[in-house]
Amino acid sequence: ELKVEQNPLFLSMQEGKNYTIYCNYSTTSDRLYWYRQDPGKSLESLFVLLSNGAVKQEGRLMASLDTKARLSTLHITAAVHDLSATYFCAGRSDNFNKFYFGSGTKLNVKP
Amino acid sequence: ETGVTQSPTHLIKTRGQQVTLRCSSQSGHNTVSWYQQALGQGPQFIFQYYREEENGRGNFPPRFSGLQFPNYSSELNVNALELDDTALYLCARSVQGLYNEQFFGPGTRLTVL
Repeated sequence: ELKVEQNPLFLSMQEGKNYTIYCNYSTTSDRLYWYRQDPGKSLESLFVLLSNGAVKQEGRLMASLDTKARLSTLHITAAVHDLSATYFCAGRSDNFNKFYFGSGTKLNVKP
Repeated sequence: ETGVTQSPTHLIKTRGQQVTLRCSSQSGHNTVSWYQQALGQGPQFIFQYYREEENGRGNFPPRFSGLQFPNYSSELNVNALELDDTALYLCARSVQGLYNEQFFGPGTRLTVL
């Protein structure tokens, strides 16, 4: 069974600072997903990473994938308060029909 | 706006009862997945339906069952409710393909007393 671990679980940072969220997974996953969830809301898709070395950027967020290390990162550049949310990564099992989420990283950006 | 809707938004049941949750979306989404998200945790995969058949299941007992209909709507049924079934239930629609990106509905918050 694919296991997905995120760290840190909680992150409090000042506006303007940079930080990285890490996502490790235990076995082969052919895709790696990043989602954002605001309190009491559903999940919003941020990135889908398909291959080793894949890098995607949207605004202040950049996601990358290293399939050899079984590691994905979500880098936050010059954080702003609006980025405060919980971020999840998720992988897909080899048989393509099961998805596994990490526990989430709760990000609080302080003004 | 993902085009995925769920009903009801909130529901309160008592232990032992049965519940049916519903999900619908715009056409074109031929795959639906259901997730359970307990408070403060990540979503747990329940199962996935593709072309009206279950084609993937997580570690949930048989009292969790589902249906997908030709009009792309879907149901999640839970029998013999337990207190631990209290959670947000999320439906996600996707199209089988290169990205298989999932679009989530707003969820149904189920409380079991």
